[in-house]
Amino acid sequence: EIVLTQSPDFQSVTPKEKVTITCRASQSIGSSLHWYQQKPDQSPKLLIKFASQSISGVPSRFSGGGSGTDFTLIINSLEPEDAATYYCHQSSSLPQTFGQGTKLEI
Amino acid sequence: EVHLFESGGGLVQPGGSLRLSCAASGFTFSSYAMSWVRQAPGKGLEWVSTISGRGVTTYYADSVMGRFTISRDTSNSTLYLHMNSLRGEDTALYYCAKTGGTTVSPYDHWGQGALVTVSS
Repeated sequence: EIVLTQSPDFQSVTPKEKVTITCRASQSIGSSLHWYQQKPDQSPKLLIKFASQSISGVPSRFSGGGSGTDFTLIINSLEPEDAATYYCHQSSSLPQTFGQGTKLEI
Repeated sequence: EVHLFESGGGLVQPGGSLRLSCAASGFTFSSYAMSWVRQAPGKGLEWVSTISGRGVTTYYADSVMGRFTISRDTSNSTLYLHMNSLRGEDTALYYCAKTGGTTVSPYDHWGQGALVTVSS
């Protein structure tokens, strides 16, 4: 099983700040890494697919990068509505796995 | 517009059974692999099962293998999860999720979830 480890687990941030969340895979997964945002009492929402591909309707301040085992989600100029938990997810091999989540408090 | 609506959740005793349904609309159901992903209270996301677009291929997490069965009915665009021999650790909000196409695509749409509580 591929383990995804996110850091940090929790971060307190201020509006307009730049935030970087990292996701490290226990073995190479190419670019089969995706990012989701989950706000309290809501379903997850896809933010970035295949490491760096943007999703229609997602604000441009969200971007992703990386390949192999190390990936990043960058949020430029944080907005108050970005308060949420962020998860990475790999679909490279079964079982599909998720990171433990990174909670952003604004 | 894509809509996914789960139903069938509830309280069940350990060892019991339950069937979740996910009614899909707004896309060609048979063209997309579908999955179930669960989230225990206050915890992270856990992949449970995936079925290919035509229902030929299915995949399961080890934790549910042999107890859960995923299926789909193209005639009414509905995804199912049959759950048997339920345990306390199966207590979670179960999400139906649509992939971007294949079984290795990310989940571009999610339902609102169906809560399953396993307790005596």
